[in-house]
Amino acid sequence: DQQVKQNSPSLSVQEGRISILNCDYTNSMFDYFLWYKKYPAEGPTFLISISSIKDKNEDGRFTVFLNKSAKHLSLHIVPSQPGDSAVYFCAARVSGTASKLTFGTGTRLQVTL
Amino acid sequence: DAGVIQSPRHEVTEMGQEVTLRCKPISGHDYLFWYRQTMMRGLELLIYFNNNVPIDDSGMPEDRFSAKMPNASFSTLKIQPSEPRDSAVYFCASSLLRPLDEQFFGPGTRLTVL
Repeated sequence: DQQVKQNSPSLSVQEGRISILNCDYTNSMFDYFLWYKKYPAEGPTFLISISSIKDKNEDGRFTVFLNKSAKHLSLHIVPSQPGDSAVYFCAARVSGTASKLTFGTGTRLQVTL
Repeated sequence: DAGVIQSPRHEVTEMGQEVTLRCKPISGHDYLFWYRQTMMRGLELLIYFNNNVPIDDSGMPEDRFSAKMPNASFSTLKIQPSEPRDSAVYFCASSLLRPLDEQFFGPGTRLTVL
């Protein structure tokens, strides 16, 4: 039972354009969401997060949007750069469960020249 | 700090053999997590520890899997006996006590069971 879903296994975007990665969740108890980025042969690294009390969080070229009613969040990368090519994991947490994260299956982003 | 250290980086073994994966968390971190990454299920949490005590092992797939954390700087994940379907990348991660702290991942161990 996949509580966090990333329905697009891959995405290809041209350099300079916007990349939009989507994530859906089913557990309404989730109240904190994170995006991790993973390069080949490395572990995932934290990218950006958002609390359920917000609907947007921005950090440089990266913005995460949260739509609680739709149980949907998205990561926008503007402008996309070749170095952004990686696998992006969406993760979610329930308050009171310490640091336990539930991850999605990941989306592989390829930024082309 | 060197970050989370995992060994070995690659492991190839035959079905039925015992496999032991090792992890050294970041010094001072209170939580340690073991994950498994597969194409079908993404990153699955297997077990996590808080101050060396196992808190939630509901993700451990079978009794063939066991994990220990004898001290704050070392943890092992053991599979005995191993099966081909255990082939995956296994990650260890650690984090501080504060609930919203990010998790820091090691580079992973790629396990292949023939």
